[in-house]
Amino acid sequence: QEQLVESGGDVVQPGRSLRLSCAASGFTFSQYAMHWVRQAPGKGLEWVAAIWFDGSKQYYSDSVKGRFTISRDNARNTVSLQMNSLRADDTAVYYCAKDFDHSGYYFDYWGQGALVIVSS
Amino acid sequence: EIVMTQSPATLSVSPGERATLSCRASQSVSSNLAWYQQKPGQAPRLLIYGISTRATGVPARFSGSGSGTEFTLTITSLQSEDFAVYYCQQYNKWPPWTFGQGTKVEIK
Repeated sequence: QEQLVESGGDVVQPGRSLRLSCAASGFTFSQYAMHWVRQAPGKGLEWVAAIWFDGSKQYYSDSVKGRFTISRDNARNTVSLQMNSLRADDTAVYYCAKDFDHSGYYFDYWGQGALVIVSS
Repeated sequence: EIVMTQSPATLSVSPGERATLSCRASQSVSSNLAWYQQKPGQAPRLLIYGISTRATGVPARFSGSGSGTEFTLTITSLQSEDFAVYYCQQYNKWPPWTFGQGTKVEIK
């Protein structure tokens, strides 16, 4: 069955960088778009970034554009989120989510999340 | 950006009763509307996509309806495991993919 496992969450100081990874299994990873969605403490869901099945397109929310980079390795069934110039308002649980198709649909499977705390 | 607005913010319902949750889009999202359930400390779970199609394993007491900009999630005969936060999401026009702010269904 489909499984997504995030790793890399940590406590980091403002202005520093952090890289999250998501390991996928149970489906043909290279056929599906992937997303990162975050949830600040006590808040709702916010889409962060998406990458197409073949890595040909990446999309970002305005709040992270220019600071975060999404990438994937279809040989290793992983998707990553490189987060630079972190700010306090980036503090959140970051979920990796599988798209229903190779490009922009709904999210049919989610990982358990990785907690990122940005604090001095 | 399409803004999704859910109401009410909190819904108090007794077990066995019906819950009706609303979601409004700032512009038409066609049939590209999904609902997710999130329990405390857990990841969101897909419930419904395409306005009314239940995801695999979702009980029949969950149903979705609506069109264009107005959508409803109905839970008939609420069970204890249904008390959670529910989010609607549009995937018609992106980026960004946008979620409503959530409706918390709590025990009355």
